[in-house]
Amino acid sequence: DQQVKQNSPSLSVQEGRISILNCDYTNSMFDYFLWYKKYPAEGPTFLISISSIKDKNEDGRFTVFLNKSAKHLSLHIVPSQPGDSAVYFCAASAGGGGFKTIFGAGTRLFVKA
Amino acid sequence: DVKVTQSSRYLVKRTGEKVFLECVQDMDHENMFWYRQDPGLGLRLIYFSYDVKMKEKGDIPEGYSVSREKKERFSLILESASTNQTSMYLCASTEGGYGYTFGSGTRLTVV
Repeated sequence: DQQVKQNSPSLSVQEGRISILNCDYTNSMFDYFLWYKKYPAEGPTFLISISSIKDKNEDGRFTVFLNKSAKHLSLHIVPSQPGDSAVYFCAASAGGGGFKTIFGAGTRLFVKA
Repeated sequence: DVKVTQSSRYLVKRTGEKVFLECVQDMDHENMFWYRQDPGLGLRLIYFSYDVKMKEKGDIPEGYSVSREKKERFSLILESASTNQTSMYLCASTEGGYGYTFGSGTRLTVV
């Protein structure tokens, strides 16, 4: 039973347009959510996070939105660049310390030049 | 920048072999983790450690053990490798916050 679901295995977007990656979760105890980015042959790198007390967090071209009632979060990348092409993992954690963070299956983003 | 180093990028082992995957971090982090990444399943936690000689089971510990004799080093051990343990293994560390720093991964193939 996957507690964190990324239902789109892949997404293709034109350079300069907006990329929207979606994530759903089932555990209402999750109180911290993160997005990681992974290039081939590298480990995931932390991208952006949001606490459950907020509904939006922005960092440059990246914005994460959290809808607690729908148990849904999304990552917006605008404008998208070819270097954004990677696999994006959504992750969620309950309680302090980040132990046992649960990851989604990932969405592969292709940004076409 | 904190660095997490995994000793091998690629490994090929035979069924039944005992396999050691090594991970070293250089920023004095308390917490270290081992995940495996499989297509369609994302990253699944095998074991984690919050202090030297301390370990906790993750979601899929069966067939694995770990060792943390020094703060900077966290080893994953496959006691008797099986083909269903063919996977990408990722080590991570964190100071105590939520953002992990991952190593580059070890792609293990068990034949």
